[in-house]
Amino acid sequence: EIQMTQSPSTLSASVGDRVTITCRASQSISGRLAWYQQKPGKAPKLLIYMATNLEDGVPSRFSGSGSGTQFTLTISTLQPDDFATYYCQQYDNLGTFGGGTKVEI
Amino acid sequence: EVQLVESGGGLAQPGGSLRLSCAASGFTFSNYAMTWVRQTPGKGLEWVSSISASSGRTDYADSVKGRLTISRDNSKNTVYLQMDSLRVEDTAVYFCAKDSAPVPSTLCEHWGQGTQVTVSS
Repeated sequence: EIQMTQSPSTLSASVGDRVTITCRASQSISGRLAWYQQKPGKAPKLLIYMATNLEDGVPSRFSGSGSGTQFTLTISTLQPDDFATYYCQQYDNLGTFGGGTKVEI
Repeated sequence: EVQLVESGGGLAQPGGSLRLSCAASGFTFSNYAMTWVRQTPGKGLEWVSSISASSGRTDYADSVKGRLTISRDNSKNTVYLQMDSLRVEDTAVYFCAKDSAPVPSTLCEHWGQGTQVTVSS
């Protein structure tokens, strides 16, 4: 089973900050890496797939990068609506989620 | 607009059974694989099971293999999760999700709102 390690688990930030979240896979996942955003009491929402592709309707301040086993989600200018928990997921071999990163004020 | 509506959650005793349903609309259901994902406060998000568009392929997490069964009825635009031999550790919010392709990839493009399953004596 492929393990996904996300860091940090919690991130304190302010509106306007540049935010970076890291996800590491236990083995190469051929770029099959997704990022989701989840707000309290709501379902996750797909933001990015294949490591770098922005889902339709997702603001361009979100971007993804990485390859092999190391991946990054960047929010270029944090907006009030972006305070949420973010999860990475590998879908190269079934599916495994990272532990999540809570972005808080 | 894609809509996924789960139902069937509730309270069950250890060893008991529940059947979750997920009614889909807003897309051609028979063209896409479907996935169940669960979430607990302690373990976060966990992929549970996926089924191909034609039902020809099903995949399960090791933690549920032999106890949970995924199925679908394309005439009813509905995917099911039959949960048998329930354990306390199956307690979670269960989400159904639309996959990105006919064959399961587990990439979840759209999610339902979730249904709570509680297993307790």
